[in-house]
Amino acid sequence: AQSVTQLGSHVSVSEGALVLLRCNYSSSVPPYLFWYVQYPNQGLQLLLKYTSAATLVKGINGFEAEFKKSETSFHLTKPSAHMSDAAEYFCAVSDGNSGAGSYQLTFGKGTKLSVIP
Amino acid sequence: GAGVSQSPRYKVAKRGQDVALRCDPISGHVSLFWYQQALGQGPEFLTYFQNEAQLDKSGLPSDRFFAERPEGSVSTLKIQRTQQEDSAVYLCASSSDRAKSYGYTFGSGTRLTVV
Repeated sequence: AQSVTQLGSHVSVSEGALVLLRCNYSSSVPPYLFWYVQYPNQGLQLLLKYTSAATLVKGINGFEAEFKKSETSFHLTKPSAHMSDAAEYFCAVSDGNSGAGSYQLTFGKGTKLSVIP
Repeated sequence: GAGVSQSPRYKVAKRGQDVALRCDPISGHVSLFWYQQALGQGPEFLTYFQNEAQLDKSGLPSDRFFAERPEGSVSTLKIQRTQQEDSAVYLCASSSDRAKSYGYTFGSGTRLTVV
């Protein structure tokens, strides 16, 4: 079984400051890992994904994440926060093998990011 | 279409009423998924279709929930005899990949409120 833990349900940063959103996962098989962003009253938009290639993954809008197997982590970072980054962010994991569960995403509870002007 | 389209965007149902939620996936996408997102929570998997075949319905919370995709394109999620605990946002997603969750495209969701 897989699970995702996002530390901090709410994170506030100043505009221009570093954004760090934490995600730890549990998986019995090599995982695929994802970060999604959700703006109010909208669906989920894929920011980036790790699918067993490079451990440092670059995504859209200047975000990146690093897969650290030893720490079972996949934290999301951005060097400089913009007001437009204010949204809810979800980390998700799926089975990286070609098993029956490989299509199903297990999500964390989300972290709401606020950006202070 | 260019994206995944869901309708209605908002639905208010009286307890005990039946509801039907529609999903139009991206044209040509083989895989279609339904997720349920309760307030303040992450989405939770409900069911998965590959073309018209429902390959996994393990996430459906009760036999009041039923999903179909008869022609392998549009899908409908039906909830019978709605209860207050069914209040949530129902998200549909589609993918061109047959099995791997390489990153679906999600619709904007249907917010269901049961009163």
